[in-house]
Amino acid sequence: AQKVTQAQTEISVVEKEDVTLDCVYETRDTTYYLFWYKQPPSGELVFLIRRNSFDEQNEISGRYSWNFQKSTSSFNFTITASQVVDSAVYFCALSEGGGKLIFGQGTELSVKP
Amino acid sequence: NAGVTQTPKFQVLKTGQSMTLQCAQDMNHEYMSWYRQDPGMGLRLIHYSVGAGITDQGEVPNGYNVSRSTTEDFPLRLLSAAPSQTSVYFCASSYSPAQPSQETQYFGPGTRLLVL
Repeated sequence: AQKVTQAQTEISVVEKEDVTLDCVYETRDTTYYLFWYKQPPSGELVFLIRRNSFDEQNEISGRYSWNFQKSTSSFNFTITASQVVDSAVYFCALSEGGGKLIFGQGTELSVKP
Repeated sequence: NAGVTQTPKFQVLKTGQSMTLQCAQDMNHEYMSWYRQDPGMGLRLIHYSVGAGITDQGEVPNGYNVSRSTTEDFPLRLLSAAPSQTSVYFCASSYSPAQPSQETQYFGPGTRLLVL
């Protein structure tokens, strides 16, 4: 069965600290897709990144970076030099296609000035 | 493009009432889906559709009906509202080109539903 686990329910950091959000997934399929979404206090869901199972390259986008490791079924998300505007709930999600996502429980990140 | 739109933004119902949550997208996406978000549980899939005339159940379908008569619209119907259906509902759509690796779900702004 598919499953996504975000073990960190809440994280609190001080501005400019680096923070890593963990995501562990379970799937039997060899082809799948992993996602990260951000949900700011305003409530909308903002797409951050998609990673395909056959592409294990890590990715960096500005202060954001993602570490995908199939060997440990993990897709972790790091924010470097965090800012107050990064405060949000972050969701990791898994898809095997067909317009269906399995979400983790979410990690609430609080960045204090 | 308006993207994915949802109406209403907020609704209060009494137990037993019925209503329809509207969802529309103008991106010509083939896939559309409904999720509900409850505290501490992330988002859970209610129903989804891979094209007009085709729908299927997700993880938590009980108490909800869907239909998809057009590519653009995917309404979610609550037949007899219950307090357990108090939640935030999100509609999403994604594109299914010849390359499935391009599939990314984009979400509407959500509908906050309170059932008394």
